Amino acid sequence: GESVGLHLPTLSVQEGDNSIINCAYSNSASDYFIWYKQESGKGPQFIIDIRSNMDKRQGQRVTVLLNKTVKHLSLQIAATQPGDSAVYFCAERDGANNLFFGTGTRLTVIP
Amino acid sequence: SAVISQKPSRDICQRGTSLTIQCQVDSQVTMMFWYRQQPGQSLTLIATANQGSEATYESGFVIDKFPISRPNLTFSTLTVSNMSPEDSSIYLCSVEPTTDTQYFGPGTRLTVL
Repeated sequence: GESVGLHLPTLSVQEGDNSIINCAYSNSASDYFIWYKQESGKGPQFIIDIRSNMDKRQGQRVTVLLNKTVKHLSLQIAATQPGDSAVYFCAERDGANNLFFGTGTRLTVIP
Repeated sequence: SAVISQKPSRDICQRGTSLTIQCQVDSQVTMMFWYRQQPGQSLTLIATANQGSEATYESGFVIDKFPISRPNLTFSTLTVSNMSPEDSSIYLCSVEPTTDTQYFGPGTRLTVL
């Protein structure tokens, strides 16, 4: 499958600060990307997605940026809260409609 | 969205035995998927299970080891056969009720002794 990886395996931020989680992907033909949040003992939870014809998409406190030139994806979380502590995965969809997940980044919010 | 449940939530099994994991969704969906998440790692797709057809397995996964049933549009099972300690993982089912968006169940945590 495609290579979808993350630059930082762990990230610690102070409560109230902004968090940025990065992801690199290898398949330039992928046209759909998703960020998932996985809390301990639970399945991944959909956060936000973006299609390749967009550079930026905003949700509630979250923003996803897509740079197709360098095949880079990032998730920005504004005013990070303790409840944001989790492992975050990026995923890309290939031409066969399969979803490939990156390795994950563990976000820890320090009160 | 979709509400997905899995049974069992966790199990401890002996080497050489088999375990069947059930996945139930609260609405009819065409596409269901089974993933494996090994300890501390990301998710790997095992197979796609669409109702009315044979499951499609990804490279490295075979039907004899991971037989899948999809008897209707709300239910699927994954069996982990002839288990070894290397099969210790979290097994997750997911569904795609609308184009592109996948929703995941809570997972089944399997430990093989």
